Order: sequence, then C-alpha cells, then structure tokens
Amino acid sequence: AQSVTQLDSQVPVFEEAPVELRCNYSSSVSVYLFWYVQYPNQGLQLLLKYLSGSTLVKGINGFEAEFNKSQTSFHLRKPSVHISDTAEYFCAVTISGSARQLTFGSGTQLTVLP
Amino acid sequence: DTGVSQDPRHKITKRGQNVTFRCDPISEHNRLYWYRQTLGQGPEFLTYFQNEAQLEKSRLLSDRFSAERPKGSFSTLEIQRTEQGDSAMYLCASIGTSLNEKLFFGSGTQLSVL
Repeated sequence: AQSVTQLDSQVPVFEEAPVELRCNYSSSVSVYLFWYVQYPNQGLQLLLKYLSGSTLVKGINGFEAEFNKSQTSFHLRKPSVHISDTAEYFCAVTISGSARQLTFGSGTQLTVLP
Repeated sequence: DTGVSQDPRHKITKRGQNVTFRCDPISEHNRLYWYRQTLGQGPEFLTYFQNEAQLEKSRLLSDRFSAERPKGSFSTLEIQRTEQGDSAMYLCASIGTSLNEKLFFGSGTQLSVL
C-alpha cells in the first residue's frame, strides 16, 4: 500500500515571498503524484500532476512541483505567493496505470500574510 | 457542464437516524468515487464505482454504510443508525475513461451527527 506524508501542517508566509510545501510518499510500485488545493467551503481542485516524463511539473496559479524518485518526494513550490493562495493543500498518490483511488496526505494549511 | 454536484451541502441529524447523500457526476464520466474528510485530515477513500458496478470498498465502509449507482449515472451514499463519529465531510469525485484525465471533486456534504 502507498502512503503520503506532508511534513508541515501549517505554513505561514508573507505575501510575495517564495514557498515550498513538502510531500514525501511511500510505495513499493511506481506511482502517479498529485497536488490538490481546497479553498474554504469548496471541493478539491487539481493544481498539478506527475504521471511520467519530465520530473518538473508546472501547474495552475504559478505552482510547480518536482518529482524526486530517489528521495521519494514531490514538493510544491511557488516563487511569489499572493493572499489568494491562502488555502489547504493536499498531496496525493495513486498506483501508476491503475484506476485505483487516491491516497491523500493530511494537508498543509498555507496562510499568506500581508 | 456544471461539474460534480452533491446534495445536500449540509445535513444535521440525531444519532441513530439514517441519512442519504446524492452525487451527480459529470455526465460522461464513468468512474465515481466517495471519500470522507474529517477536520484536519486529508480525504479518505470509501468506495469506487465504474459505471454501475461497485468495484472497491474501503474497510472504513462499515455495514452501516451502503452506496449505489443504479444506472451508472448519479450515486447515493446511505448511512444507517448514524453515530457521532460519522460526522465529516463526504466528498464525491468523478473521472472519465482515460488515466490522463483529471479527477473532479464536488463541494461535499457536511454531516453533523448530534
């Protein structure tokens, strides 16, 4: 079975500063990796995904993530955050090539301060 | 298309009562998932349908829980004899046939068991 660890439950950062949200996964088989964002009272929205190919993945809203197989990590980064980026961010994993369900991390609350 | 719809948005019930939630996926999506999310945690997989067939159930889905997708379109999740521990956000998600497609989430049904 696969698992996901999000190392930081809360990340406060000032507006226009860079941010990195950390995600590590565990799996005995190859995986697909995802980052989702959840704004208050809304459903989860896909930010980006890694299926194969380039290990640097660019997503919506200026976010990007890098898949590092040796470190089993998929950290999310943004060079300059906005107040509107304040939300809960979830890293998720599923087995490559399957229709199986996603396994989510416990989430990281990003709070962007003025 | 308006995305994945869930009804109701909020449900308050007394312990021991039965509740039923509905999910309307995106119309051409053949795969549908139910997740449960408690405060401070990521979503946890409950069950998965491909068309009308329920292909996988989590051990989180006790005997009091039942899900159906009778015509391969909308789905219902019923909880019988609700307990306070059932209080959570219940999320529905759908996706089409291709593994490269995006999983779309509804806004969820927030259940509070008093």
